[in-house]
This record gives sequence, structure tokens and C-alpha cells, in this order.
Amino acid sequence: GAVVSQHPSRVICKSGTSVKIECRSLDFQATTMFWYRQFPKKSLMLMATSNEGSKATYEQGVEKDKFLINHASLTLSTLTVTSAHPEDSSFYICSAYPAGRSNQPQHFGDGTRLSIL
Amino acid sequence: KNEVEQSPQNLTAQEGEFITINCSYSVGISALHWLQQHPGGGIVSLFMLSSGKKKHGRLIATINIQEKHSSLHITASHPRDSAVYICAVASHDMRFGAGTRLTVKP
Repeated sequence: GAVVSQHPSRVICKSGTSVKIECRSLDFQATTMFWYRQFPKKSLMLMATSNEGSKATYEQGVEKDKFLINHASLTLSTLTVTSAHPEDSSFYICSAYPAGRSNQPQHFGDGTRLSIL
Repeated sequence: KNEVEQSPQNLTAQEGEFITINCSYSVGISALHWLQQHPGGGIVSLFMLSSGKKKHGRLIATINIQEKHSSLHITASHPRDSAVYICAVASHDMRFGAGTRLTVKP
């Protein structure tokens, strides 16, 4: 079945570092991908919608200069956490559905656990 | 008030018990999702519903559009069903419930 691959699964880095997280659709094309954030013991929160070939749409309260999203191809979206600080430590998850099939369930990546020291 | 309310927040059951998790929402939706999140964070999409009822193995999901309510049932529960179950509704974007942490004891 369709699979979404997220990489890396875990990152530990120093404050001030920029971290890039990749989300790939392995056997389908995705014009739209979604990025979520989950704080410990909290629900998922949609951060932004990534659109292939155009600017991402950010949810209210999400800093677009802090969380850079690039969706340069139909199978890859990247989220870059710029100049990360300890408060950016969180679990980040992406999801996608096959292009033109928004009526189908989304497929989720396994997530990236980001820890900023 | 959250747009998506789940109950209960935590649920402990003995192996073999019938489990029900409820989800109520207050916005217009195009579809409702039930998600399963295992320890470590990986998420699996269990169901996507826009009406009626769906069944997959021991899992059953129902939705009542008029009442804006959905339920996820697990029959003959097993310890491997232990996970967080999340209800999510799709309108112009996705809104998530807080999740129900299910623990099934042997």
C-alpha cells in the first residue's frame, strides 16, 4: 500500500542549529502534504499545508520564518526548523494523500522526534 | 470549547472486553478519521468516514452526521490494541481530538 517515509526519525542537536525533516511519498505523487506538531501528551496540531510548486499555507500562530517548508517535487516536502531552541523540541509528523484523491485516507509518516539541547 | 471532543481520555480494559471510544465535533465536516498512535509516535489511519459504518477486522467505526458524533469500537480487545486513538475531522483542514489512551491488560 501507499507509504509515507519521514526522515530522520530522531534528532538531538544544540540550540541555534537548523534542522531539516524530510517527508517522502514512496509510491504515489502528492501535490499536498501536511505537517503536524505534537507536544507531549497533547493532540496533534496542524502546522501548515505544503503545496507542490507554491508557497505553503501556515496555520495561525505558526511562524513561517521559523518553520520553512519546501515542496519542490510531487514526492518530497521538507520542513526546516531554523535556529532551533529548546521550546521547538517536539514530535513532528507529516501526512499526504495521493494527488487528486483527497477523499482517501491520509497516510502518515512515522514522525520525527526533535530534541534541542 | 474544543471543536473535537473525545471520551474517555483514558481507558483500561481487560483482554477480551468490548471497547467504545466516542468523538463529538462541532464543525461541518467532509470526513472523519480515526487514527491509531503507538508508543514511539507512529500513526496509522484506521478509518475515514463520511457516513454510516465501516468494519475492518475487530474494529468498527460509525458516524452520525446529524448528531455530529462518531464511535470507534474494538471487539475482543487484545493487549496489542493498547495505543492512543485519535479522532480527526476534515473540514477546510484537519482538527484533532485530544486522543484516548487505551490500555488492554492480559
